Amino acid sequence: AQTVTQSQPEMSVQEAETVTLSCTYDTSESDYYLFWYKQPPSRQMILVIRQEAYKQQNATENRFSVNFQKAAKSFSLKISDSQLGDAAMYFCAYRSVSFGNEKLTFGTGTRLTIIP
Amino acid sequence: GAVVSQHPSRVICKSGTSVKIECRSLDFQATTMFWYRQFPKKSLMLMATSNEGSKATYEQGVEKDKFLINHASLTLSTLTVTSAHPEDSSFYICSARGAGWDETQYFGPGTRLLVL
Repeated sequence: AQTVTQSQPEMSVQEAETVTLSCTYDTSESDYYLFWYKQPPSRQMILVIRQEAYKQQNATENRFSVNFQKAAKSFSLKISDSQLGDAAMYFCAYRSVSFGNEKLTFGTGTRLTIIP
Repeated sequence: GAVVSQHPSRVICKSGTSVKIECRSLDFQATTMFWYRQFPKKSLMLMATSNEGSKATYEQGVEKDKFLINHASLTLSTLTVTSAHPEDSSFYICSARGAGWDETQYFGPGTRLLVL
């Protein structure tokens, strides 16, 4: 079974600075999807970014980018120019490409605080 | 696009009663929907996966007779908590995945259930 580990329960960053959230995972599969979701105080889960394992290029969405290291099974999220609205819980998630196995496996989350 | 709604957003009920939570995909057809439970400051725990027109697949340890899931159409799935007890109080979140066009799960805003 796949597992996802987020080793940083809490992180804080000064507004406008850059922060990196770490995520590692364990799998025997060669192809899969990885996601970062954000859960603000409203508790609505919001997709931040996703990465297909077969793609070597790191995904980027505006101020959010990932560092995907397939061999190391690492999938960190970098937030540039941090804003107050970035304060939230961030969950890393893994999804198999296997037919019938579409469930997401989540990490335990990292609570990000933005310091004004 | 890819909006998922849940109703109600919060519900309070007496112990022993049943509560139904609806999950709708508003602008896409969802062949697969997922139901999660989230305890305070914890990650999401998958309860079951439902495919339109077929029986739900429950995760280990989830009582299928207590948490009834119906996915009668491509835009609607329901979760019924039967004979609710205070320990069923939690935050329930659904997500939906479209038919083949996207591997991403889109989440509803969640339902807070309080059983007195």
